[in-house]
Amino acid sequence: GAVVSQHPSRVICKSGTSVKIECRSLDFQATTMFWYRQFPKQSLMLMATSNEGSKATYEQGVEKDKFLINHASLTLSTLTVTSAHPEDSSFYICSARAGSGNTEAFFGQGTRLTVV
Amino acid sequence: GENVEQHPSTLSVQEGDSAVIKCTYSDSASNYFPWYKQELGKGPQLIIDIRSNVGEKKDQRIAVTLNKTAKHFSLHITETQPEDSAVYFCAASRGSARQLTFGSGTQLTVLP
Repeated sequence: GAVVSQHPSRVICKSGTSVKIECRSLDFQATTMFWYRQFPKQSLMLMATSNEGSKATYEQGVEKDKFLINHASLTLSTLTVTSAHPEDSSFYICSARAGSGNTEAFFGQGTRLTVV
Repeated sequence: GENVEQHPSTLSVQEGDSAVIKCTYSDSASNYFPWYKQELGKGPQLIIDIRSNVGEKKDQRIAVTLNKTAKHFSLHITETQPEDSAVYFCAASRGSARQLTFGSGTQLTVLP
């Protein structure tokens, strides 16, 4: 299957700082990328959907000014957690889909964010 | 919106036995149903999917069945092995947006 690379896999940051997570589709062009958040032993919760060249669509309850998403190219989307707090500590996962219609989404390996 | 329920939350089986995980969905317009395997500290990996125009799909030891009338679908793993131990998620989506709604997950443990 297609490969989605997410970086970094783990990051520890101080409270109040910002952290950027990258999601790259390595062997296909991703017209749509999704960002999820997963707390321990829980399911994946969709945070936002981003289409290349346009603003991301955020799910209800997700602060767009706190979780900045940029999808500047067909192979790269970034999620920046601004002014991070300990409650932002979580597992963040991206997925990417090529084209439109009935195509599957491929997931990155996830980023474990710990805010201290 | 779509709501996906998954059962059981935990499942332990002996190596070689079969495992079945069931999901129900609420949106009758949903037409794509993937299953993902997630190992600890990793992202989900697609293991099999089914679209609403078929009732069953099989790939070696893994099979998925779909009952559109009842709005439920199931994952079947035969001849389980210890390396099958992981968390399994079902999901559903409709249309071209491909926004997946996930079930709550099943922790499968295969005992050697």
